[in-house]
This record gives sequence, C-alpha cells and structure tokens, in this order.
Amino acid sequence: DAGVTQSPTHLIKTRGQHVTLRCSPISGHKSVSWYQQVLGQGPQFIFQYYEKEERGRGNFPDRFSARQFPNYSSELNVNALLLGDSALYLCASILVGGGDGYTFGSGTRLTVV
Amino acid sequence: AQSVTQLGSHVSVSEGALVLLRCNYSSSVPPYLFWYVQYPNQGLQLLLKYTSAATLVKGINGFEAEFKKSETSFHLTKPSAHMSDAAEYFCAVTQNFGNEKLTFGTGTRLTIIP
Repeated sequence: DAGVTQSPTHLIKTRGQHVTLRCSPISGHKSVSWYQQVLGQGPQFIFQYYEKEERGRGNFPDRFSARQFPNYSSELNVNALLLGDSALYLCASILVGGGDGYTFGSGTRLTVV
Repeated sequence: AQSVTQLGSHVSVSEGALVLLRCNYSSSVPPYLFWYVQYPNQGLQLLLKYTSAATLVKGINGFEAEFKKSETSFHLTKPSAHMSDAAEYFCAVTQNFGNEKLTFGTGTRLTIIP
C-alpha cells in the first residue's frame, strides 16, 4: 500500500514568491491535515479538510490557504513568502475514527531566502 | 483547549539503560494521546496511541506508555535503549480522534551513549 505522498521534497523560494505544496493521502482516507514544523519545534496545525470541506484552521495568516480535491489529495498554498515561513511542512492522512488515525508523510522542506 | 508538556528537551541515556520520556497533558474532555518519533530529515512515525481502551499501551520498537488520569501523564518508556533509538520524540493530544487537530509538545531529543 502506498503511504502518504508529499511533493516536492525540497524547494527554495525567494521572499515575496508564492509556493504550492501537494499531498496524496492513503487510499481510503478522506481527510488530510497540514502542519508546519519550524526547526527545533513541534508541528503546528495549519488546516484540516474532510470530504473537500475545511474542518479546522490554525492560527496562521491569510497568506496560507488550502484545498482538497475530489480524489482527496490536497494542496497547501502560501503567498508572499517570508523568511519565517522556512520550515518542514507535513501532511497527515487521516482515517476518521479508526486505525492509526493520523499518518504523516515525509514532508516538504521549504527554504525562503 | 488541549495542550501537552514534554519535560526535558534533551535526554541522554546509556545503551542498554531505561528510556523514560515525560509527557503531561491538559484536556477538558477525555483525551486521545499519541507518541511519534522523528528521525533527521524525515516525517513523523507513530510509536503508539491511547484511545481509551487499555491504559498500558504497547507500541513498536519495544516502546510502551501508560495513561495515568490522576497524574494527567502519558510517559513513554523502553526497558533497554538501542543506538537506533536516537531521534526526536513528540507527544500529541486530540479531543476528537481523527476529527480534530493534533496538538504537539515541543519534543524531546533522545541521545544514546555507547
């Protein structure tokens, strides 16, 4: 079984640019969530989606947005990048109410210069 | 509101010694609790989870954790440390399994001394 797939694995962007990160959940999982992990800290919740509907939003500015597609994959978009957006972005594939619950991908390492 | 506190940002133990990583939680309702491990430049791997069944939870790689409601704790233990256990460990809590965000602690970096 394929796990959670995130792309790209690494990318470097310049301040002010826009970035799109992608996540494909485990087959059969209908919910995904996104987390930001700054170096040396625990992951912080950004968004959760279930069946294409936003189920939760963390304390992040409006520069951050996301969506979920009919095949349950998801995109995280960040506009007007700041140096402080440099982090590991993790996607969790969620089996609501069962199994391991939250299965994480390997993440996308974003560096803003 | 929910939160977790991990006491000790860095823990060092000798190979073969007991591993004890501490996690205390705060939750207004019965919590679901998780321990994840993160190796350098990788994502999070689930070690074990508490979902209100048995209070002593056994996970992968010989780890286990005990849910103690009276102490609001969910400490992670392993009887004998291996070099391969060196990693970052995160405790996390949610109030609604799968339907709500995970709230993570700040992590504990475990170093194994040969």
